[in-house]
Amino acid sequence: DGGITQSPKYLFRKEGQNVTLSCEQNLNHDAMYWYRQDPGQGLRLIYYSQIVNDFQKGDIAEGYSVSREKKESFPLTVTSAQKNPTAFYLCASSIRGLNQPQHFGDGTRLSIL
Amino acid sequence: EDKVVQSPLSLVVHEGDTVTLNCSYEVTNFRSLLWYKQEKKAPTFLFMLTSSGIEKKSGRLSSILDKKELSSILNITATQTGDSAIYLCAVENQGAQKLVFGQGTRLTINP
Repeated sequence: DGGITQSPKYLFRKEGQNVTLSCEQNLNHDAMYWYRQDPGQGLRLIYYSQIVNDFQKGDIAEGYSVSREKKESFPLTVTSAQKNPTAFYLCASSIRGLNQPQHFGDGTRLSIL
Repeated sequence: EDKVVQSPLSLVVHEGDTVTLNCSYEVTNFRSLLWYKQEKKAPTFLFMLTSSGIEKKSGRLSSILDKKELSSILNITATQTGDSAIYLCAVENQGAQKLVFGQGTRLTINP
């Protein structure tokens, strides 16, 4: 079945540590996105990528980094510079072009040890 | 700055009731408005609205966009416990190909 796979489902970070969240899709979508969701809040955009080897900062990019070396993969690294990383992280993808909805993975819940 | 506001933030009703969820927006260069349902994990796509006044319907759910009022409503009739979820509204900025989300409405349906 086609879809978006995020791993791991749960992740714990120690202080000063960088961690990487995986997002893989087999939908042949060009565009991919990373969102952060905090309790009682909607989704906030961290980074997005319209094509391979290109990505743009979203609204809350500080303390995060991404890469887009392959069409299927868009990993997110939460660096030690992100002081409040505890949140639910969602990856999404879509076909580029007009009126194409984004589809989401099941998310990764990141907590601090 | 683009902004999306949903109301109410939380709603508790009894099974069988009809509910109306609201979404208002301020977005430069509006392209579309989307509704998603989020139960435990991945938000699932419900509707995409681009034209004012045209109702989109799927079973007991329906939605309509009012571009003059910069708003949309999501109606759910004959609610069931399985409708309990967070309902997210998002608006796409034309050209940017990115979504701006509202805070979500947490809907609880009691049996």
